Amino acid sequence: NAGVMQNPRHLVRRRGQEARLRCSPVKGHSHVYWYRQLPEEGLKFMVYLQKENIIDESGMPKERFSAEFPKEGPSILRIQQVVRGDSAAYFCASSPTGPSGANVLTFGAGSRLTVL
Amino acid sequence: SQELEQSPQSLIVQEGKNLTINCTSSKTLYGLYWYKQKYGEGLIFLMMLQKGGEEKSHEKITAKLDEKKQQSSLHITASQPSHAGIYLCGADGYNTDKLIFGTGTRLQVFP
Repeated sequence: NAGVMQNPRHLVRRRGQEARLRCSPVKGHSHVYWYRQLPEEGLKFMVYLQKENIIDESGMPKERFSAEFPKEGPSILRIQQVVRGDSAAYFCASSPTGPSGANVLTFGAGSRLTVL
Repeated sequence: SQELEQSPQSLIVQEGKNLTINCTSSKTLYGLYWYKQKYGEGLIFLMMLQKGGEEKSHEKITAKLDEKKQQSSLHITASQPSHAGIYLCGADGYNTDKLIFGTGTRLQVFP
């Protein structure tokens, strides 16, 4: 039973390009979370999704960032027109259940975005 | 909104020494989670605490949640180089749908 798979592990983009980060949750998990970790900072919540629904996007920047979790396929975090400040590690996590009870998340290894 | 503060921010200890990392919440905790992150990697779940006064141990790591459920400590006994990494506490509050995390404590253990 594979864990959370993220790809690419490393991504380099020039300013103005688009970045697409993919996350395949643990098999059977229908809840996906995206976090961002800036250099020397903690994990910041970005968005929480269930299949085909965005539940909480309170941590997402208002512009250029979007996320989806389609019925089929991985969850995608998309960053349009990247800027140097977007350089960070982006972590995906999944869980089998929603927010009630023991909310133990399984994390992926992260995708490290570098914007030149 | 709930905030978590960890102390110390960084810690350098000699192998074999004991150490404690603290996590303080601005609000009552309904679930407190400890994760470890190895440098450049993802997070590994360590322990979860839910009840006031609860204490859990795994190998040489012990975590406690105070009676008021606003502070947790992580204690490592006889530290080893394999304990090195970033320790993060995470919390979910009442009627929330996400985990928030503290800023982390960076631990280095030298021989």
